[in-house]
Amino acid sequence: NAGVTQTPKFRILKIGQSMTLQCAQDMNHNYMYWYRQDPGMGLKLIYYSVGAGITDKGEVPNGYNVSRSTTEDFPLRLELAAPSQTSVYFCASSAAPFEQYFGPGTRLTVT
Amino acid sequence: ELKVEQNPLFLSMQEGKNYTIYCNYSTTSDRLYWYRQDPGKSLESLFVLLSNGAVKQEGRLMASLDTKARLSTLHITAAVHDLSATYFCAVDEVPQGAQKLVFGQGTRLTINP
Repeated sequence: NAGVTQTPKFRILKIGQSMTLQCAQDMNHNYMYWYRQDPGMGLKLIYYSVGAGITDKGEVPNGYNVSRSTTEDFPLRLELAAPSQTSVYFCASSAAPFEQYFGPGTRLTVT
Repeated sequence: ELKVEQNPLFLSMQEGKNYTIYCNYSTTSDRLYWYRQDPGKSLESLFVLLSNGAVKQEGRLMASLDTKARLSTLHITAAVHDLSATYFCAVDEVPQGAQKLVFGQGTRLTINP
């Protein structure tokens, strides 16, 4: 049981490039989430999903897109990367209202 | 808009001492969570508090929730070095369904021998 997995672990992007952060969970959770964590701060919700085919915006969705075609996978797409998107990105899943399980994170730098 | 405030933000304490971290939030919610994060690592769930008056304990940590006061506390008893980490509280904006968590800024706890 791997829990929540994320790839890549690290990535450096140039301004204007695009990329997809991958997230997968094997706990059969309906709910999945994407967060970003800036240095010294708490997490902020970017997007979340209540099941395959259903996604919704969180607190800071601008500059990102998501899709959820299966229960297991919830990729996050960054279009036209900007320096303000430099952050650590965490994916999580849950069987609400219980605890969320977090992936190991992706450290992204945009230069 | 829900706001979550933790205090203190930084706490340095000696082994063996007791201390409390406070988590205040601005709008009604009865779903509150505590997480631990070690440097450079992901978040690990500590406690799930889902009703007024809920109290949970695990080892030297105890968490409680007072929804009327919009306050949760994380109490550390006889601190040991292994508890050094950053602790986050998170409050759910919605009463059911998928969680829309708002996190506090975190309390960076350092426990010295």
